[in-house]
Amino acid sequence: GAGVSQSPRYKVAKRGQDVALRCDPISGHVSLFWYQQALGQGPEFLTYFQNEAQLDKSGLPSDRFFAERPEGSVSTLKIQRTQQEDSAVYLCASSYQWRDSQVDGANVLTFGAGSRLTVL
Amino acid sequence: EDQVTQSPEALRLQEGESSSLNCSYTVSGLRGLFWYRQDPGKGPEFLFTLYSAGEEKEKERLKATLTKKESFLHITAPKPEDSATYLCAVQALLFYGGSQGNLIFGKGTKLSVKP
Repeated sequence: GAGVSQSPRYKVAKRGQDVALRCDPISGHVSLFWYQQALGQGPEFLTYFQNEAQLDKSGLPSDRFFAERPEGSVSTLKIQRTQQEDSAVYLCASSYQWRDSQVDGANVLTFGAGSRLTVL
Repeated sequence: EDQVTQSPEALRLQEGESSSLNCSYTVSGLRGLFWYRQDPGKGPEFLFTLYSAGEEKEKERLKATLTKKESFLHITAPKPEDSATYLCAVQALLFYGGSQGNLIFGKGTKLSVKP
């Protein structure tokens, strides 16, 4: 597609419910990132995939958070037993290349519009 | 610990009033520094990447500069459509020379330009 697509755009969950957030990256982009953005804050890193391999999940705040990208394209971020502190915008971003390349544009992340999660 | 601090948190300008936004960073080794623009309800949109001290990049009314400790985003004669939150982020070098995958973002500067 032309951009990074995220769904749903808005999700309201009751405390304790499980939620799944979907990210459709730009076609051909090998790297995919999930970030969490609280109100008035900058994005905070959650996890990173290169193709289907999850190379870094150091930012996931607890074992209630789980991400997958089984075929190296679409990714899902799952949050189990949601808590109020999970309320935030979840941003997905993709890049056609990453790591050591200094080619202009190689390290640029293209972000989706985000999924706003509100936990009541 | 790698971190990024942006100042001011908010900036109000009159149309045509030039100013600068600051991004101070602490990182073990800098692979790249990125500027993004974020409009309400949208994801961040890429503006610039800077790789080494002394580097400068320009785009319309925006100019980004980089030193060993900070970056500035200069806005010349801003217009109301420049109103947005501007985010700074760094990508760190790893000890063996490779690059950290993720970006570390600051909290952003919210810019308002009044006509």
